[in-house]
Amino acid sequence: QKEVEQDPGPLSVPEGAIVSLNCTYSNSAFQYFMWYRQYSRKGPELLMYTYSSGNKEDGRFTAQVDKSSKYISLFIRDSQPSDSATYLCATWLSGGYNKLIFGAGTRLAVHP
Amino acid sequence: DTGVSQDPRHKITKRGQNVTFRCDPISEHNRLYWYRQTLGQGPEFLTYFQNEAQLEKSRLLSDRFSAERPKGSFSTLEIQRTEQGDSAMYLCASSDDRKNIQYFGAGTRLSVL
Repeated sequence: QKEVEQDPGPLSVPEGAIVSLNCTYSNSAFQYFMWYRQYSRKGPELLMYTYSSGNKEDGRFTAQVDKSSKYISLFIRDSQPSDSATYLCATWLSGGYNKLIFGAGTRLAVHP
Repeated sequence: DTGVSQDPRHKITKRGQNVTFRCDPISEHNRLYWYRQTLGQGPEFLTYFQNEAQLEKSRLLSDRFSAERPKGSFSTLEIQRTEQGDSAMYLCASSDDRKNIQYFGAGTRLSVL
């Protein structure tokens, strides 16, 4: 079993839709969670950084962590064609060397 | 802050050749990471430097791979006797000590023919 599982998609939605992207993780010791966005042939770009359970909002993006079910989500409101990319969830174990553990990524296409 | 810079962006080589990639981290960052990403997968950790010390290496890093960060600034990743299975995107990231927010470069795409 992978430490972080993510549905690879692809996910295709119309412009303006609310998008929900999800990951599950196996180790309850994970406390920090990140969402990266990666455009084709580019490096990952940090979108959201959260600690522990709860919600964090930044513009059209909301990150949600439910530690009881080991489930993390990223919601995108009013999706735009420019949001078309691969979204990667990641976590890391504090106290070590902080290497990131990524999901496989979900490919999102927002069509006009 | 000019971001993390990687060179070259794309490298095509023949099987058996040696290749070297360079990463220039964000200037005030003392932590530097290398990851490898294959098609349809998330990045996988390869190795980590704190300043010039290489503190962790993944089992993915076979004997053909070597990484250095000689003065605690830029880093190089060398692959000797490349194999077709080495074809991937090699990503470099850097962070400081306060928060583990890793900023990634654009990556070097390696194609082994």
